[in-house]
Amino acid sequence: EAGVTQFPSHSVIEKGQTVTLRCDPISGHDNLYWYRRVMGKEIKFLLHFVKESKQDESGMPNNRFLAERTGGTYSTLKVQPAELEDSGVYFCASSQEVRPSDNSPLHFGNGTRLTVT
Amino acid sequence: GNSVTQMEGPVTLSEEAFLTINCTYTATGYPSLFWYVQYPGEGLQLLLKATKADDKGSNKGFEATYRKETTSFHLEKGSVQVSDSAVYFCALSGRGAQKLVFGQGTRLTINP
Repeated sequence: EAGVTQFPSHSVIEKGQTVTLRCDPISGHDNLYWYRRVMGKEIKFLLHFVKESKQDESGMPNNRFLAERTGGTYSTLKVQPAELEDSGVYFCASSQEVRPSDNSPLHFGNGTRLTVT
Repeated sequence: GNSVTQMEGPVTLSEEAFLTINCTYTATGYPSLFWYVQYPGEGLQLLLKATKADDKGSNKGFEATYRKETTSFHLEKGSVQVSDSAVYFCALSGRGAQKLVFGQGTRLTINP
């Protein structure tokens, strides 16, 4: 079974540019989550999709961030325009059930390291 | 709101030493508690979990006990190995909530 795939693994962009991160969840997983870890601090929740719908987007920092999951498969997270404080590692995770359990654990991708200069 | 506070790192130990990484939490109700680990170049993996007070989660020689009276979930291992070098995250999920709340992570380095 393929795991959660994220790309790119690294991205270096200049302030003001646009970057799009992609996450491919495990096939069949309706639930997809985005998290972010900034500058060695805690990992923070960004948003949660159930299929193509945004279930909870309370963690999105501002309107420069746009997440989509067209067709309920892969998801993209676009940052436009990027600011210095957006630098960090962006993690994607997926699960089969809404509330992860022993039968439906939460699987994380390796993350995308974003550096804004 | 819910929050998790972890012992600050980095932590450096010699092989076979005893490990404790402290974790305390603030939450309403009865959250589920987790330890995740991120090995170099990899994603987050669930290490262990506990879903109610006094439960003990264990995996790969690591243990953590859900202590409601002290709101803690400290991670312990009796004898660490070089392969345990990683970043460890304590996390919780509230009842009825799907999202995880993480601590800031503790980088652990084990020297041979």
